[in-house]
Amino acid sequence: QEQLVQSGAEVKKPGASVRVSCKASGYTFSFYYIHWVRQAPGQGLEWMGRISPDSGATNFARKFQGRVTMTRDTSINTAYMELSRLTSDDTAIYYCARDYGGKLDYGLDVWGQGTTVAVSS
Amino acid sequence: DIQMTQSPSSLSTSVGDRVTITCRASHDIRNYLNWYQQKPGKAPKLLIYVASSLQSGVPSRFSGGGSGTDFTLTITSLQPDDFATYYCQQSYSTPHTFGQGTKLEIK
Repeated sequence: QEQLVQSGAEVKKPGASVRVSCKASGYTFSFYYIHWVRQAPGQGLEWMGRISPDSGATNFARKFQGRVTMTRDTSINTAYMELSRLTSDDTAIYYCARDYGGKLDYGLDVWGQGTTVAVSS
Repeated sequence: DIQMTQSPSSLSTSVGDRVTITCRASHDIRNYLNWYQQKPGKAPKLLIYVASSLQSGVPSRFSGGGSGTDFTLTITSLQPDDFATYYCQQSYSTPHTFGQGTKLEIK
């Protein structure tokens, strides 16, 4: 079955960077955008950006530009999200998710289990 | 960026009730509007995509409507499993912004 499996929880110090991985299985990785969404404790969902696995093209939310990098390794069907210059405001669960329509922006139908990132001194 | 405004923020309801949640976009998003259900400790689940298309496996008591700037999610005859938080999301243009969420609580 179609599945996204994310890397494990991270604890980081302010100013550090974190990289979260998202491994796809059960479908053709290159056909579907991968999006990244985060959720701070007790808060709503926040869209961070997306990557096209075949071309590597990315789009980011303005607030993350300059601080986020999204990459992929098609040989192992894995997408990565790296966030730098972490502050306590970046403490959140980070999700990767697949675009249901491939590249048609039809919503996010397959989600990873989430990766908790805690930023604390 | 397109702003998404959901109402209400929370709703106290009972099993069997009919519930409607609204979502308003700050700009015309045609029908690029999606609805998700999220339960505590779980990833969101896609319910409705492109405004009114029911995702596979989602019960038919869920329905979506609207176009342009005003959208609705309706749940007919609420079931115990439906008490959760619901989010709308526009996918018309990046950033694909979410509404702030609507929490359905048991009365």
